Amino acid sequence: SAVISQKPSRDICQRGTSLTIQCQVDSQVTMMFWYRQQPGQSLTLIATANQGSEATYESGFVIDKFPISRPNLTFSTLTVSNMSPEDSSIYLCSVEGGAGGEQYFGPGTRLTVT
Amino acid sequence: GQQLNQSPQSMFIQEGEDVSMNCTSSSIFNTWLWYKQDPGEGPVLLIALYKAGELTSNGRLTAQFGITRKDSFLNISASIPSDVGIYFCAGSPAAGNKLTFGGGTRVLVKP
Repeated sequence: SAVISQKPSRDICQRGTSLTIQCQVDSQVTMMFWYRQQPGQSLTLIATANQGSEATYESGFVIDKFPISRPNLTFSTLTVSNMSPEDSSIYLCSVEGGAGGEQYFGPGTRLTVT
Repeated sequence: GQQLNQSPQSMFIQEGEDVSMNCTSSSIFNTWLWYKQDPGEGPVLLIALYKAGELTSNGRLTAQFGITRKDSFLNISASIPSDVGIYFCAGSPAAGNKLTFGGGTRVLVKP
């Protein structure tokens, strides 16, 4: 399985500001995913990021709020823009790593917006 | 979005007990996955199932892919304190498709 790191591991931000989260993988992968996990909840997919194409966003998530970059096969960023307290969550990146669609997750970024 | 129906939502374990949790779906999946998430960490893949009827073990964990392809269960035998955490099921129609997650089962230690 791939080794995935995320930066920052946590941050406290003021409302109205933006935070960019980085996801680095130790091997080349085609598909990367960004999830949000609100306190006490399950994982919700924000978008799928493939290298060389625009990210595909899920219903309820828009590019202006969550712009994503995927400059190469080992790296991606997610920006949380114009933050409000409702954006306080854990943000996770994952990569697809098997024949059956299994995904491997990074350690997450815990974001608190005040 | 769609979520798998995972139960129970929470359970208390006593050391040495066997515990089970399950997931059901209205849709067919071709892959069933079970993850564990510890506090402050990302989910870790425990078991992947690829074939209807498949029974797979990973140490004290055993999971089965339901014959209808619409359900799966996870069993933990002889539980120990480090089994505490949140367990998530997830289903995928195929590689390259997004995962659908269950709501999670929170495993706690009996006081």
